Amino acid sequence: GQNIDQPTEMTATEGAIVQINCTYQTSGFNGLFWYQQHAGEAPTFLSYNVLDGLEEKGRFSSFLSRSKGYSYLLLKELQMKDSASYLCAVRPLDSSYKLIFGSGTRLLVRP
Amino acid sequence: EAGVAQSPRYKIIEKRQSVAFWCNPISGHATLYWYQQILGQGPKLLIQFQNNGVVDDSQLPKDRFSAERLKGVDSTLKIQPAKLEDSAVYLCASRETGDTEAFFGQGTRLTVV
Repeated sequence: GQNIDQPTEMTATEGAIVQINCTYQTSGFNGLFWYQQHAGEAPTFLSYNVLDGLEEKGRFSSFLSRSKGYSYLLLKELQMKDSASYLCAVRPLDSSYKLIFGSGTRLLVRP
Repeated sequence: EAGVAQSPRYKIIEKRQSVAFWCNPISGHATLYWYQQILGQGPKLLIQFQNNGVVDDSQLPKDRFSAERLKGVDSTLKIQPAKLEDSAVYLCASRETGDTEAFFGQGTRLTVV
């Protein structure tokens, strides 16, 4: 089975940097996704990590350590519009290509 | 490019009634997912289709939930009879074979009273 843990809520200040952690325990692992979800809207894709290391995409970066079962999403130069839920999702090691989501981290960006 | 379309956006029903949700995935996307998202939680996979075949329905409560994707395009998810704990947002997503990203629709918010 899979167990995915994320902090429930975080608060940060506009212009700052915030790191959202995700730890997972899976019986098999084929990659990790980060999705952003604004209240009442659809989740939108942010990043996908398969190999260890840091993937940078503009203000957002995602890191993966497979040996530690750990990932984080780093958001730089925070903007008010970054207030949203951030969902960590694991792709299990099977042929189905399904996503198993954590409960999500609600990020509140304050002025 | 048109996104994943879902209808209705909102639905309120009484417990023990039936309800159906519809999803039209992005054109050409072979994989279609239905997720249930209870308030404050992450999406939980209910069923995954590859074309018109079921890949995974291990978490679908089959005594009351059913889903079909008859022609490998549109899909419907039905609940019969509904329970209070079925109140949630039902998200449909689709993915093109060989692609990484799954695209989500805006969901149907179901309230069972």
